[in-house]
Order: sequence, then C-alpha cells, then structure tokens
Amino acid sequence: SAVISQKPSRDICQRGTSLTIQCQVDSQVTMMFWYRQQPGQSLTLIATANQGSEATYESGFVIDKFPISRPNLTFSTLTVSNMSPEDSSIYLCSVERGGYTFGSGTRLTVV
Amino acid sequence: DAKTTQPTSMDCAEGRAANLPCNHSTISGNEYVYWYRQIHSQGPQYIIHGLKNNETNEMASLIITEDRKSSTLILPHATLRDTAVYYCIVTRYNTDKLIFGTGTRLQVFP
Repeated sequence: SAVISQKPSRDICQRGTSLTIQCQVDSQVTMMFWYRQQPGQSLTLIATANQGSEATYESGFVIDKFPISRPNLTFSTLTVSNMSPEDSSIYLCSVERGGYTFGSGTRLTVV
Repeated sequence: DAKTTQPTSMDCAEGRAANLPCNHSTISGNEYVYWYRQIHSQGPQYIIHGLKNNETNEMASLIITEDRKSSTLILPHATLRDTAVYYCIVTRYNTDKLIFGTGTRLQVFP
C-alpha cells in the first residue's frame, strides 16, 4: 500500500484567510480523495482528484471554497478558502493503491 | 449516502471476541465490504475486505452472510488498543470512492 505524507499536521488560522494542505504520496496513484471530519463526526468526502482533469466535488462542496490541484500522480493540494470557524475540522487525503490509504490528517482551527 | 447500517456503540471485555455487525441490504453484486477503523483522530486504518467468502487476516475475520446483506467483523481477542470507531463500507473494488457512515464506537474495557 502507499505511504502518504500530509502537511501541515495542524494549524490555527484567522477567519477570512486561506490554508493550503499538501498531500504527497510515495508512488504514482490515479485517484486521490479529500475528506473532512468535523468534531465528533464521521468522514465526509469533499472531492475526488484525478491527475489531468478537474476535481469532482461531492454535493455541498464547491470549487471556490475548496480548490484542489493535482499537478502530477504523486501530489495534490486542497485549499480551504475564506475560512470561518465552521471550517474547523480535520482534513484528510486518501489514495487508492492496492487498497485505500489515508494520511494522518490536518487539524485546522479557525479563530 | 452511506449504504450501511451499524450500531452506534458497543462494549467488549479485554481478551474476549468483539463481534461488530453491519447491515448492507442494498449491496450490488460487484461491491465489496470493507472495514476500517479510526483510533482517536488518526487517519482511518484498513482492517479487511471481502466479496462473498469469509476472510481472515492477522487483524480480524470477516463473516459475510450468504445473501450478502449483512456481515460481521470479528476481533478474536480484543485489547484496549482496539478501542476505536469501526466503519463498514461497501464499494466497488479499487474503482470507487469510500463513503463513510457513522460507524460503531467500540470500547474495550479491562
């Protein structure tokens, strides 16, 4: 299975600002996924990012709020834009390579 | 929406078997049953998956009913470190996204 490095591991941000989360994989993968986990809740899929095409967003998530880049087969970024306290969550990336593997997550607190 | 139904929480004594049920009555013929667990704020960890046959690995056993409408994850000798939220997910193998339900919070007590 793949090994994922996700950065930053945590951050505290001011409302109205943006944060970009990076996900680096140790091998080439076709599909990368971004999830949000709000406090005390399960994981919710934000979008699927395939290299060379626009990300596919799930219902309730839009590109203007969560722009995603996928420049190559080992890297992706998720930006949380114009943040509010409601965006305080853990954000996780995941890939499928011989099974689904998850990064350790980015714990975001918006103040 | 998630295609599975799981109990919200369960308790298990350390050293005993933990049996976690999952209902997936609308599962399609090409969908697998996956189990993941999440230990306090860490990323979800893969446990096991299966299509229709029972499966066993070093972590757990997966029992799938003959009609495939339900399954049970078995941790044969639960330890305190098995305390986690366990998610049962159905999806097509290696070609689809994972949609998480609410999971079962397993508490292993001494």
